[in-house]
Amino acid sequence: AQSVTQLGSHVSVSEGALVLLRCNYSSSVPPYLFWYVQYPNQGLQLLLKYTSAATLVKGINGFEAEFKKSETSFHLTKPSAHMSDAAEYFCAVSDSGSQGNLIFGKGTKLSVKP
Amino acid sequence: GAVVSQHPSRVICKSGTSVKIECRSLDFQATTMFWYRQFPKQSLMLMATSNEGSKATYEQGVEKDKFLINHASLTLSTLTVTSAHPEDSSFYICSARDPLSGTYNEQFFGPGTRLTVL
Repeated sequence: AQSVTQLGSHVSVSEGALVLLRCNYSSSVPPYLFWYVQYPNQGLQLLLKYTSAATLVKGINGFEAEFKKSETSFHLTKPSAHMSDAAEYFCAVSDSGSQGNLIFGKGTKLSVKP
Repeated sequence: GAVVSQHPSRVICKSGTSVKIECRSLDFQATTMFWYRQFPKQSLMLMATSNEGSKATYEQGVEKDKFLINHASLTLSTLTVTSAHPEDSSFYICSARDPLSGTYNEQFFGPGTRLTVL
């Protein structure tokens, strides 16, 4: 069975500082991996996705993530945090079933201090 | 492209009544739609997967008679919470897969519906 672990339910950074949100996955087959962002009372917006084309994936809003098979990780980074980045971030892996269900991590709330 | 809408965005109802939530794919045909439930400050919990023209597949522990899902067309799925009770209050989010998106398992999410049962 596939699973996702997000280390740190809450991460706080200063504006302009590096953002690092951690995600480790478990999968017996090559996975598809996703990072989504959720603003309060809104649905999820796709930041980026890994689909085996390239290990370093660039997404929207300056975010990127690197797929490391040896570490079973897919950490999300952004060089310089903006106040508007404050939100909840979810890492997800798709399962190997034909439906392609997404398995979500528990989420990491990012706070950005001025 | 790949826009999913939900209606209503917010609903308040009395205990015992039924509530219908609509999920629409606006610019693509979604053969598969998903319904999630999200409790405050928690992750998304998959409730069921619906395929157009067939019965929904419910996750373990989700009451199919309480949460009725219909996916009658390629652009519309509905979730009906029957005889709602305060414990059904939650944020319900739908998503849809675009089979032509080129990324087999990517899901596009609606904005969510906040249900409050008094």
